[in-house]
This record gives sequence, structure tokens and C-alpha cells, in this order.
Amino acid sequence: DMKVTQMPRYLIKRMGENVLLECGQDMSHETMYWYRQDPGLGLQLIYISYDVDSNSEGDIPKGYRVSRKKREHFSLILDSAKTNQTSVYFCASSLYSSGNTLYFGEGSRLIVV
Amino acid sequence: KTQVEQSPQSLVVRQGENCVLQCNYSVTPDNHLRWFKQDTGKGLVSLTVLVHENDKTSNGRYSATLDKDAKHSTLHITATLLDDTATYICVVGNRGSALGRLHFGAGTQLIVIP
Repeated sequence: DMKVTQMPRYLIKRMGENVLLECGQDMSHETMYWYRQDPGLGLQLIYISYDVDSNSEGDIPKGYRVSRKKREHFSLILDSAKTNQTSVYFCASSLYSSGNTLYFGEGSRLIVV
Repeated sequence: KTQVEQSPQSLVVRQGENCVLQCNYSVTPDNHLRWFKQDTGKGLVSLTVLVHENDKTSNGRYSATLDKDAKHSTLHITATLLDDTATYICVVGNRGSALGRLHFGAGTQLIVIP
């Protein structure tokens, strides 16, 4: 069953609190991604991971960090959440970093108050 | 400035009608272009990928074209169904065939009414 699973799906945090968004995939994909989606904008890449402990910054990494200790799990961490990090966060995976389609999770909606 | 522009922003059609969604981009080099469907509150699901100059693809009632000279793609949906209600997102990849650098459009919101 090819699936990307995100937890939690919905989260409300206060400004300054830590946030952990988790993503898992059951397809043994090498490459995983974190994006955020804001109204009226296209998805923006936060981080990409090419394999365990092989992570690269995307286009908007500031305020975020990631962790990939197992191939099937990729976490997004906000150490001190800000209100402008209110967004919907999508995790995706692909078999390799080239030539394959992306499989997306259903998103994690984060509200920072 | 956004490098992938989609039009219209939103579209309402009656069930059974056909519709055409447009994607214009300025991404260079343009290696490939994908169309995704995003149901409300869900993730993106790939519909089709276009790679070559003047590529045409077909996936059931969805068909797409790519004109690399004009940097333009269209997504045609034939005989729309209520389940076609979704946001359709155009994505252009520009780093060889690598997926890490994709440029996403903001999407066209399609609403199909009975």
C-alpha cells in the first residue's frame, strides 16, 4: 500500500512553542521533502532529504530544521514557532531524486497563535 | 516574481461540460511539467507528466499538452464529473531530471456543479 502518512493532521501552538511534524512512507523511497502551502501561493520547498542524514535546505529553510534517522521517517521541527509559520505543511517522497513522481501526504495544518 | 502562472484562478462548470486549464511559465531550463490534482484538505496526486517539446498525454478524461517554445501547457478535462471539483496545480521542474527544484503554480480551483 503506497502511502505517505503525516502526523498530526491538525495542530494549534502558541508562539515560541516547539513543533514537531512527522512523516512516514512505506515505499522505501530514498528522497523525502517538506513543503508549505499558503493561500494564493505555490508550494514552497523547505527541506529535501536524499537519504538518512543527508538533508539539504530548500528555498525557505529559515526557522525550520529536519531530521531523518530512518529512511521511512522524515521530521520537520520548528524550535520556536512564529505566527508567520501558520500554514499547511506537506511531506512528499519519491523513489529517487530524479525521474520519478512525487507522492504527497495529506498535509498537516499548523496554526500558531 | 512567480515563475509559474495558472489561469483562470477559479472556474465553475456544469457536470458534463469540458474545460481547459492554462499554465504559463518562465522557468529555465524547463525539463518537465506535471499536472497535479488536489482535493480539498488532501495532498497532491499526479495526473500526468510532459517532458518533450510538443508532448501530448492522455489519462482517461484528462489530457494535457506542452509547448516548450511558448512555455505553455494546457490541461483538458472532458465530460466533467462532480468528483473533478478540486485544485489543479501545474509544476515545472528545471534541474535536469531532479525533483528537488520544482516550481509550483498557485493552482486553478475547479468547481463542478450539477
